[in-house]
Formats: sequence, C-alpha cells, structure tokens
Amino acid sequence: GESVGLHLPTLSVQEGDNSIINCAYSNSASDYFIWYKQESGKGPQFIIDIRSNMDKRQGQRVTVLLNKTVKHLSLQIAATQPGDSAVYFCAERPDSSYKLIFGSGTRLLVRP
Amino acid sequence: NAGVTQTPKFQVLKTGQSMTLQCAQDMNHNSMYWYRQDPGMGLRLIYYSASEGTTDKGEVPNGYNVSRLNKREFSLRLESAAPSQTSVYFCASRRMGTNEKLFFGSGTQLSVL
Repeated sequence: GESVGLHLPTLSVQEGDNSIINCAYSNSASDYFIWYKQESGKGPQFIIDIRSNMDKRQGQRVTVLLNKTVKHLSLQIAATQPGDSAVYFCAERPDSSYKLIFGSGTRLLVRP
Repeated sequence: NAGVTQTPKFQVLKTGQSMTLQCAQDMNHNSMYWYRQDPGMGLRLIYYSASEGTTDKGEVPNGYNVSRLNKREFSLRLESAAPSQTSVYFCASRRMGTNEKLFFGSGTQLSVL
C-alpha cells in the first residue's frame, strides 16, 4: 500500500552543523512532496515543497532533494539552530487529488 | 489575519458523550480538512471538504461526521466518543490549486475516558 516512512526517528546534531532528514516514499506515481515542521504543542508549519519534475529546490537555509529513481526525499538544514528543534514530517501526494500521505516524523534535537 | 482557528484547545470526554470541534479560516480558502495525530505517528485524514457544499471521507472516517457550514467553517462531530478517539485533531485549509500547501490550525487535544 501507499506509505511514507523515515529512516531515523530521532536526529541529534550540534548547533551550527548541517542536518539531513531522510524520507522514503513508496508510490512512484506521487507528483508532489512537502516538508512540514511541527513544534511542541503547535500545528505543522510548511517548510518547503517540490514537484516531481524537479530534483532540487532551495529555500532559506533549507534544501529539499528528490531522487525518484530510489524514491527518496531529503531535507537539508544548513547551520542548524536551536529553533530548528522540532519534529519534521514529509508527505507525498500520490495522485492529482487533494490527498497528502504523511510519514511518521523525525525528531530533530539541536545540542548547544 | 488569524489563519486557521480551532476551538476548543483541550477537551476531556467520557465514553459515549458527543461533541463538536470547530474550525474557521479567514484566508478565503476553498478546501478544508480534518486530521488526527496519534503519538509517534503522522497525520491521518479523517474528512475533507474540497469546496463549500461538498464533503468526502478520508482514511479514517469511522465515528466522525463533518459539516461545511460555509466557506469559512468546517466542523467535526463525534456522536458517541470512544477511547480510541483520544488524539490531537488538526484542521487545515488549502487554496484552490493542485500544489497549494496546507495551512494548519494549532490543534485540539481530546481525551476520551
């Protein structure tokens, strides 16, 4: 069935280092992918998205990479800051409809 | 511009009680959604409303009903709450357009005893 999973449930990084959060997706027909950040007690916040016709997209301190060959998505955060500590979710859209399938999340901990 | 507003923020129910979770958005979005989030899991779609006047089931609709009251408001009702419905509920909205991202509310934490 459709699923979106993450390789690492918890990632601990030193402040100032770069972070890489990985995500595997199972539906090769998915055409849109999105990363959300969720801080404790809050709703998910949009970080960055990417369409399937792209393999890289950059934002402010964040980069999303898409490898359709191996159905892999990653989120790179440059110069990780304490405020980046949160749970990060990837999601895929398996068809042209509204639906987003969310992964189970990776917790990012930033050590001072 | 408040975005997506959910009420209440916290609620405790006894098994069998009913309640309605309220959601309103002020971004003039066409589509609205209800998700639930259980510990250690991602979000699962309960119901959605692609546009005013329409509602459809998501992945986990059993035990819930929804009403799209108008373009701004989308409510989720639990007719007879069960402990399995203990969860955090998020409402979200999206503008028309296939790649438009979801905007989420801050959630309602519901406990059913």
